[in-house]
Amino acid sequence: EVQLVESGGGLVQPGGSLRLSCAASGFTFSSFSMNWVRQAPGKGLEWISYISMSGSIIYYADSVRGRFTISRDNAKSSLYLQMNSLSDEDTAVYYCMRDRRDWGQGTLVTVSS
Amino acid sequence: DVVMTQSPLSLPVTLGQPASISCRSSQSLVHSDGNTYLNWFQQRPGQSPRRLIYKVSNRDSGVPDRFSGSGSGTDFTLKISRVEAEDVGVYYCMQATHWPPFTFGPGTKVDIK
Repeated sequence: EVQLVESGGGLVQPGGSLRLSCAASGFTFSSFSMNWVRQAPGKGLEWISYISMSGSIIYYADSVRGRFTISRDNAKSSLYLQMNSLSDEDTAVYYCMRDRRDWGQGTLVTVSS
Repeated sequence: DVVMTQSPLSLPVTLGQPASISCRSSQSLVHSDGNTYLNWFQQRPGQSPRRLIYKVSNRDSGVPDRFSGSGSGTDFTLKISRVEAEDVGVYYCMQATHWPPFTFGPGTKVDIK
């Protein structure tokens, strides 16, 4: 069974940083591209970043480019999102998504003073 | 970027009756490889999204056959043949033809009358 478990969310002050993790199991992690998608409270879904199987190809949404960094460790079956210069507009549940199909349960990031 | 729109945004339905959600894209979703990468996701209250349909009309494993997808080009439809209580939630279409970015529709909230 495919499992994706996000962690690392929490309360952070504006301008602060946070690192999210997504632990994958139940499939060969290195064989799938991965994405981060977020959902602000009461709002819709917003794709924010993609990383290819090897990590050699990376894309970001305009809203996070230059502030967020996606990475992966295939040996640990883990996906990461380093988030810097956070603002209240980044408050959301952050999901990791395998390819364009399976989602984790999400981790809540709240940016507030 | 491809803009996805959905209608209606709210859909009260009667149990056992059919329901239909429309999704439109700002440009054709036919990929140069001949496929059309249009997915449908269901997000039940308090849960993470779950993919129901991929490439317009292909049901994911475990998805009840009362769900069906159709369409082509820029116009797509998700149909529920007979709504059940467990179908309550928000439904999103997502295009994966012209990316980055992957883009989602605003969501259609389905609830019971």
